[in-house]
Amino acid sequence: QVQLVESGGGVVQPGRSLRLSCAASGFTFSSYGMHWVRQAPGKGLEWVAVIWYDGSNKYYADSVKGRFTISRDNSKNTLYLQMNSLRAEDTAVYYCARPVVPAAIDAFDIWGQGTMVTVSS
Amino acid sequence: DIQMTQSPSSLSASVGDRVTITCRASQGISNYLAWYQQKPGKVPKLLIYAASTLQSGVPSRFSGSGSGTDFTLTISSLQPEDVATYYCQKYNSAPPNFGPGTKVDIK
Repeated sequence: QVQLVESGGGVVQPGRSLRLSCAASGFTFSSYGMHWVRQAPGKGLEWVAVIWYDGSNKYYADSVKGRFTISRDNSKNTLYLQMNSLRAEDTAVYYCARPVVPAAIDAFDIWGQGTMVTVSS
Repeated sequence: DIQMTQSPSSLSASVGDRVTITCRASQGISNYLAWYQQKPGKVPKLLIYAASTLQSGVPSRFSGSGSGTDFTLTISSLQPEDVATYYCQKYNSAPPNFGPGTKVDIK
């Protein structure tokens, strides 16, 4: 079945780095733009970043621009989020999400289970 | 960037009540609007996309309407399992921002 599985979360000190992964299965990963969305504890959903199906375009939320990098490896059906210079306000559950149609920007019908990132000294 | 607002921020209604949630975009987004349901401790679930298209498997008591800047999500007869936070999202272009959410519970 169609599935997204995130990994790589954990506890990290402010200023350090972390890389999240999202393993996709059950669909043609290389045809879909993919997204990261996060949710701080007790807060709403915040879109983080998108990457086009072929990696040719990437967009970021202003809150992470210059610190986070989205990438993908279509040969491994895997999406990544490299997070540098982490701050306490980056503490959140991070979800990867797939659009309904093979377009970069669309509603998200498939979500991973999320991986928790805690930035704390 | 286009900003999304929702009202009310929370509501309490009785089982069987008709519930309406409003979402407003700061600029026109045609019908590029989705609604999600997130139950406590769970992953968000797509309910409606293209403003009014019901996602497969979603109960027909959920419906969406609107175009341009003003949108509504309606639950025709609130059920106990509908207790959740509901988010709208615009996706006409990047960034595909979410609204702040509307928390729905049972009176």
